[in-house]
Amino acid sequence: GNSVTQMEGPVTLSEEAFLTINCTYTATGYPSLFWYVQYPGEGLQLLLKATKADDKGSNKGFEATYRKETTSFHLEKGSVQVSDSAVYFCALSEGGFKTIFGAGTRLFVKA
Amino acid sequence: DTAVSQTPKYLVTQMGNDKSIKCEQNLGHDTMYWYKQDSKKFLKIMFSYNNKELIINETVPNRFSPKSPDKAHLNLHINSLELGDSAVYFCASSQEWTGNNSPLHFGNGTRLTVT
Repeated sequence: GNSVTQMEGPVTLSEEAFLTINCTYTATGYPSLFWYVQYPGEGLQLLLKATKADDKGSNKGFEATYRKETTSFHLEKGSVQVSDSAVYFCALSEGGFKTIFGAGTRLFVKA
Repeated sequence: DTAVSQTPKYLVTQMGNDKSIKCEQNLGHDTMYWYKQDSKKFLKIMFSYNNKELIINETVPNRFSPKSPDKAHLNLHINSLELGDSAVYFCASSQEWTGNNSPLHFGNGTRLTVT
């Protein structure tokens, strides 16, 4: 079945450091891919998405490119801030009213 | 102006009790979901409803019974609560139809603690 694997955390960075959170997926068809962010005590919020191969999703300085050849959707940000501290989830959807999530990666950013 | 709201935010109860969690969305979406998040933050789908009809029941015990009185509401009733039911339960909605892979909009969660 479909699945999402993302790097284990926590990831601890200093402010202004470069961020990469790896995500790979397994899917039978052509899924849409998503990154969601969860701040403490809140629900998940959509951060960015990509719907087909080679699409790049971007939002708030975060980017991820849909790579079909490597089945990956790695999240990157050039300069993280303390306010980016949160849990990040990679996810896929192939329709069928079901979104599958990775295990989440906790990010800590130190001032 | 909350898009997806669920109540209560916290729920503490004893084993064997029955409890309900309510969810409402004002986004006009056709599809609603319940997800369970465990203590390690792993998120797993429980149910999805489209236009009040059950679409997915992801091998959830019969003690969990969702009810959708209309497209804007999806409630979750849990009978005979067990320690293992302790988790955060998230309601979500989307404008999903077959093949469009619409993103989810989440509520802020209900933290259920069973003692």
